[in-house]
Amino acid sequence: KAGVTQTPRYLIKTRGQQVTLSCSPISGHRSVSWYQQTPGQGLQFLFEYFSETQRNKGNFPGRFSGRQFSNSRSEMNVSTLELGDSALYLCASSVTGNTEAFFGQGTRLTVV
Amino acid sequence: GNSVTQMEGPVTLSEEAFLTINCTYTATGYPSLFWYVQYPGEGLQLLLKATKADDKGSNKGFEATYRKETTSFHLEKGSVQVSDSAVYFCALSGGQGGKLIFGQGTELSVKP
Repeated sequence: KAGVTQTPRYLIKTRGQQVTLSCSPISGHRSVSWYQQTPGQGLQFLFEYFSETQRNKGNFPGRFSGRQFSNSRSEMNVSTLELGDSALYLCASSVTGNTEAFFGQGTRLTVV
Repeated sequence: GNSVTQMEGPVTLSEEAFLTINCTYTATGYPSLFWYVQYPGEGLQLLLKATKADDKGSNKGFEATYRKETTSFHLEKGSVQVSDSAVYFCALSGGQGGKLIFGQGTELSVKP
């Protein structure tokens, strides 16, 4: 069974640009969550999608957005990138969101 | 709100030593508790879980018991190996769908 797949693995963007990250969950999983990992703040929850609807949202500015498609694949978008957005972005999928979550390898975003 | 506190690292042990990583939590209701492990350059892997009080999660020689009376979920292993070197995260799910709350992580280094 394939795991959670995140693309791309690495990205370098310039301040002010926007970026889209992609996450393909494990087959049959309908919940997809996104997290930001930085050395200073640790792992912080961004948002969760379930059946194409955002069900939970963390404390991030509106520049961070996401969506989920009918096949449960999810994308997150960050607009007007700032240097502080440099981080590892992790996606996790679970069957319903109330069961254990499985993580992808992450996308390493560097903003210069 | 819900929170997780882990012992600070880094923790350095010799091979075959006993490992304990402390984790305590604050939560309303009855959260599920998890330990995740992150190897360098990788995403998070679920190590073990417990969903109710007095449950013991175990995997690959690691164990943790859900103690509601002390709000703790300490990770233990009787004999660590060099390959156990990684960062370990304690997390809780408080029933808010796919939202996990993580501790700050504990880096473990095992020397031969």
